Amino acid sequence: DAGVIQSPRHEVTEMGQEVTLRCKPISGHDYLFWYRQTMMRGLELLIYFNNNVPIDDSGMPEDRFSAKMPNASFSTLKIQPSEPRDSAVYFCASRGLAGGPHNEQFFGPGTRLTVL
Amino acid sequence: SQQGEEDPQALSIQEGENATMNCSYKTSINNLQWYRQNSGRGLVHLILIRSNEREKHSGRLRVTLDTSKKSSSLLITASRAADTASYFCATDFNTDKLIFGTGTRLQVFP
Repeated sequence: DAGVIQSPRHEVTEMGQEVTLRCKPISGHDYLFWYRQTMMRGLELLIYFNNNVPIDDSGMPEDRFSAKMPNASFSTLKIQPSEPRDSAVYFCASRGLAGGPHNEQFFGPGTRLTVL
Repeated sequence: SQQGEEDPQALSIQEGENATMNCSYKTSINNLQWYRQNSGRGLVHLILIRSNEREKHSGRLRVTLDTSKKSSSLLITASRAADTASYFCATDFNTDKLIFGTGTRLQVFP
């Protein structure tokens, strides 16, 4: 398995532009998590899905952020309009069935977003 | 904040030495996990310890858990330059969410 795939790996955009980050979880995993990592705030959970359904979006900072999971193999995180303070590394992670022996999360390589 | 605190924030050692990093958390937990993050990469799961366990080993890693003190430690024995990374603890309690600590940056000099 290729692991969790994220695209793009790097994104540089100007303030006010729409940004879309993409994630393909590991096949068969039914949980998907979006995180944001900054030096100031560390690793923050933004939202997570179970079986394509958003379960907890309490970490989404503002209405400018939205996330979707149209099917089991694809999710997007959209920022519209983007602001310089959104600059961070965004990670997607997936996890297998709850109740199993391990609930470790598998992380993608991240998307480094720079908003000018 | 529910976020765990890790100590020290940064640690520099020579190859062959042992590295110990600590994690404190605030709420009751089901499990505590440790992850490693190499520079510019995603996090990689290292080891999980359940709330009813006190110690666990995996290769050169040894994890302890003291639920009465709400703390855990990760010991890396006989460190190597390749162990250079940031290390994070993560906890969960009756939820699918993991709460990550602030991380310890480990530098191992050859």
